[in-house]
Amino acid sequence: LAKTTQPISMDSYEGQEVNITCSHNNIATNDYITWYQQFPSQGPRFIIQGYKTKVTNEVASLFIPADRKSSTLSLPRVSLSDTAVYYCLVGDYNQAGTALIFGKGTTLSVSS
Amino acid sequence: GAVVSQHPSWVICKSGTSVKIECRSLDFQATTMFWYRQFPKQSLMLMATSNEGSKATYEQGVEKDKFLINHASLTLSTLTVTSAHPEDSSFYICSARAQTGNTIYFGEGSWLTVV
Repeated sequence: LAKTTQPISMDSYEGQEVNITCSHNNIATNDYITWYQQFPSQGPRFIIQGYKTKVTNEVASLFIPADRKSSTLSLPRVSLSDTAVYYCLVGDYNQAGTALIFGKGTTLSVSS
Repeated sequence: GAVVSQHPSWVICKSGTSVKIECRSLDFQATTMFWYRQFPKQSLMLMATSNEGSKATYEQGVEKDKFLINHASLTLSTLTVTSAHPEDSSFYICSARAQTGNTIYFGEGSWLTVV
């Protein structure tokens, strides 16, 4: 599984756009990039998934450059409720038994 | 999105007893389920991978005789912590992968406290 590297923590203010970058230099051809959000005492919540270029949904955008060695999760206009830990994971989960291996994640703190 | 439900959300048990945690995929069939444990302010640690109808694959350092995992159907996996000790107290989280697609969904987690 590709190893990922993210900043340990980030601070932001309400209303700002937050971009969290993840490095995955050893990403394989069939690997997808998935981001999860976790609040204390809750299971991780799926945010977004992509393979290349840009993916956008109702909560976030995911930017993936052509070489796919990194990705950036973009959260538009964050609020206090976006304070959480964000995990970037890489893998080919179509392969039976391929598990999500979590790194340390990025703790995002949003202040008013 | 897909829903994965865990039960119970929290449980307290006495040292030496066994406790079972259930993980259900409510709106999809899960060929593979994963079990994690998480200590406060730490990341999730994969314990084992279970495929429906076969034995679970445990990660290095996880005692298979202590953490019994059963995946008897496409919608249910159970984790039984046997002869629980206070050091087994943790947040246990399951996740499930659908038969098709590349996304894995997580349950709400279960807090286990062994006293």
